[in-house]
This record gives sequence, structure tokens and C-alpha cells, in this order.
Amino acid sequence: DIVMTQSPTSLAVSLGERVTINCKSSQSVLYSSNNKDYLAWYQQKPGQPPKLLIYWASTRESGVPDRISGSGSGTDFTLTISSLQAEDVAVYYCQQFHTDITFGQGTRLEIK
Amino acid sequence: EVQLVESGGGLVQPGGSLSVSCAASGFTFKNYWMSWVRQAPGKGLEWVAITKQDDSEKRYPESVRGRFTISRDNAKNSLYLHMRSLRAEDTAIYFCARVGESGSWHLDYWGQGALVTVSS
Repeated sequence: DIVMTQSPTSLAVSLGERVTINCKSSQSVLYSSNNKDYLAWYQQKPGQPPKLLIYWASTRESGVPDRISGSGSGTDFTLTISSLQAEDVAVYYCQQFHTDITFGQGTRLEIK
Repeated sequence: EVQLVESGGGLVQPGGSLSVSCAASGFTFKNYWMSWVRQAPGKGLEWVAITKQDDSEKRYPESVRGRFTISRDNAKNSLYLHMRSLRAEDTAIYFCARVGESGSWHLDYWGQGALVTVSS
């Protein structure tokens, strides 16, 4: 199984500041045949189902604000929020779909 | 508008069986892979099962393989998860999710979930 490890587990950031969440996979999720990384990011707010933010590591889902972006390749990935807004408070998960599906343990984002 | 509505959750005793359903609307159901993901109370997300458009290919993680069965009825736009030999650790909200297009197993739409509680 591919194990996904997120860091940090939680963080508190001031409004307007930059947020960086990391995700590391136990093996590469890059498919050489199409040069795509099989990695997605989700946002989950309390009492709601997860919401897709990013897939193919850096493709933003329709309707997701452009302050949210994804980067990385192979085994190391980053979700960045360029300027934290109050509505970004949530738990964020990475997910690999290179070999079946596994999720990271989540990163809780709060406002400082 | 894409909608996924789960039903059938409830309380079941350890060792028992239960099925949850997902009614899909707002898209051509038969054209998409579909999946189940669960979330234990206060915990993270765990993938449970996935099925191909025509139900011909299914995959499960080791934690539920042999106990859980995913199925679908494209004529009824419905997805199912049959669970047997249930354990306390299967207690969770079970989400139905649509699998994205273009060969990508990202999950682009989710239902609100159905709570399954395994307890005596």
C-alpha cells in the first residue's frame, strides 16, 4: 500500500498570511507513461463531506479560488493558500490514486 | 446539479450485516466509476470500495476485502455497499462519491454520508 504522510498535523495562521501543507507518499505516484502525478487534495469543513480542490497534483477544480494551489511531483507535494481567508478554516487531506486509493491523515488549519 | 444521497445507515450488532445505498442524479450515472469512502467519528478518511461503470471491475482495501461488496444498478442510478461480519471499527459515516473523468480516480462529488454504528 502507498502510505501518505501529511505535515504538519495542525497549524494556526493569521488571516492574510501564506499557508503551506505538505504531503509525502511512500512511493512515487508519478506515472511515466503520461507524466502525471496521481495526487489530489480535499478540503473538509465541520459537518460537511470533503470537497475536491486539486487533482493531477496541480489542476484546480472548477470554482476553487486561485489563492489555493498545488505543486510537487513524485513523492513530495504541497498545498498552498497564498492568503488565508476565514472560510479556509478546515481539515485538508491529500489522496493518491496511483495504486488504489489512500488518504493522508489530514491537516487541521485554524486562524491564529 | 450533481446530487448523491445516501440512505440505509443505522445501528447493527457486531457480526451483523447492513447495506447502504446511494441515489445519484444530475449526471449520466452509467458513465462514471463510483466509490465509497468512510470516516470514523473524529478521524480521517478511509477508502472502502470502487466499481467500474459496468460493475465489471471492483477493488477494495485489505481492511474490508471479503466482508464488503460494492455494486450498482445503472437502470436505477444507484450505488450500493453491502457490509457483513461488521466490527466496532467499521463504525463510521459512509460517503458515496463520484470518480472523476480522464482516467483519474479523484473524487469530484460526494454525498452527505450515512452513519453506520456497530455496537451491542
